[in-house]
Amino acid sequence: QVQLVESGGGLVKPGGSLRLSCAASGFTFSDYHMNWIRQAPGKGLEWVSYIGRSVSTIYYADSVKGRFTISRDNAKNSLYLQMNSLRAEDTAVYYCARDDYGGKFDHWGQGTLVTVSS
Amino acid sequence: EIVLTQSPATLSLSPGERATLSCRASQIISSYLAWYQQKPGQAPRLLIYEASNRATGIPARFSGSGSGTDFTLIISSLEPEDFAVYYCQQRSNWPFTFGPGTKVDVK
Repeated sequence: QVQLVESGGGLVKPGGSLRLSCAASGFTFSDYHMNWIRQAPGKGLEWVSYIGRSVSTIYYADSVKGRFTISRDNAKNSLYLQMNSLRAEDTAVYYCARDDYGGKFDHWGQGTLVTVSS
Repeated sequence: EIVLTQSPATLSLSPGERATLSCRASQIISSYLAWYQQKPGQAPRLLIYEASNRATGIPARFSGSGSGTDFTLIISSLEPEDFAVYYCQQRSNWPFTFGPGTKVDVK
């Protein structure tokens, strides 16, 4: 069965950095696009970033552009999110989501909490 | 950016009743709309994609309709496990955006 397991969250000070990982199993990782989506405490969902199957296509939300970098390693069945210059407003649960064809999030991980606070 | 508006914000119903949730887009998005269900402490789950297609394993009591700018999710007869928050999401234009959610709670 499809499994997505995020890791790497934690408490970080404003201006700090964090790298999230998402380990995929139960499907051919290289066949799917992948996304990061976040949810601030008690709030709704916000799409953060997308990476295509072949890595050639990458998109970011304006709120994270220039600070976050998405990447993937198809040989390791893994998705990553490098987060730099973190701000309090980046505090959220970060989900990785499998993407069937550009915006159809058909499987989600359980999420990892990132807290940005001094 | 395409803004999605969901109504009502909260829907208070009893088990067995019919739930009708609405989602309106700020511009035409064809049928590029999905619906997700989220329960407390859980990740969202895809229910409906391309406005009217049920995702794998989703019960037939969930149905979606609409195109253009106006969309509807109907739960024909609420089961106890259906009380949750429901989000719509568009994939017509970058960035992908979600609506603010409709909470379906027990009356």
